[in-house]
Amino acid sequence: SQQGEEDPQALSIQEGENATMNCSYKTSINNLQWYRQNSGRGLVHLILIRSNEREKHSGRLRVTLDTSKKSSSLLITASRAADTASYFCATLMNYGGATNKLIFGTGTLLAVQP
Amino acid sequence: DAGITQSPRHKVTETGTPVTLRCHQTENHRYMYWYRQDPGHGLRLIHYSYGVKDTDKGEVSDGYSVSRSKTEDFLLTLESATSSQTSVYFCATHRDGMTDTQYFGPGTRLTVL
Repeated sequence: SQQGEEDPQALSIQEGENATMNCSYKTSINNLQWYRQNSGRGLVHLILIRSNEREKHSGRLRVTLDTSKKSSSLLITASRAADTASYFCATLMNYGGATNKLIFGTGTLLAVQP
Repeated sequence: DAGITQSPRHKVTETGTPVTLRCHQTENHRYMYWYRQDPGHGLRLIHYSYGVKDTDKGEVSDGYSVSRSKTEDFLLTLESATSSQTSVYFCATHRDGMTDTQYFGPGTRLTVL
């Protein structure tokens, strides 16, 4: 079963508006990451927040993490048409030994209208 | 993108035929991963490798095998393709000692008729 579930599944906004996506997960994590996927392309890493962090910023991105609620949010401020993509959260879990594995959520499809 | 290429980029095949997908990386990364992406499921881990000849199963490994005879190449084989294996397949790697950020290839779209 998926570790992460994004909400909403799809989001449509106007250019210049802010976009907020949420991710919920089930078990304890080492960190939580957000990836972006443009249509027909591979995933690109956006930002990582560790389990002992509550908020992190990178350019127009702001990520929060609430480990008590097992949830995270990704805020994209002042959105642009080029931000149109699918966004995935992924949790890093240790499966024993030296191998950690990323467990991906189902994604939020963001459409930014010009 | 850590110099990751996948081949072929698109393939159409028939049920019951064997299919091999190739992932090639130029960064000498030790860890490599194969995922499949399906609507409503996100990305799911099929197999991964932590070195030459060292591989292990992921979440959805049934019907798939892998091989890693060289650091730069990680092959995913569908021994007898089924329609349920129609999907987009992604390869990924990460830098040794840094499991945080994975770098993804461009994907292979496989259709099994």
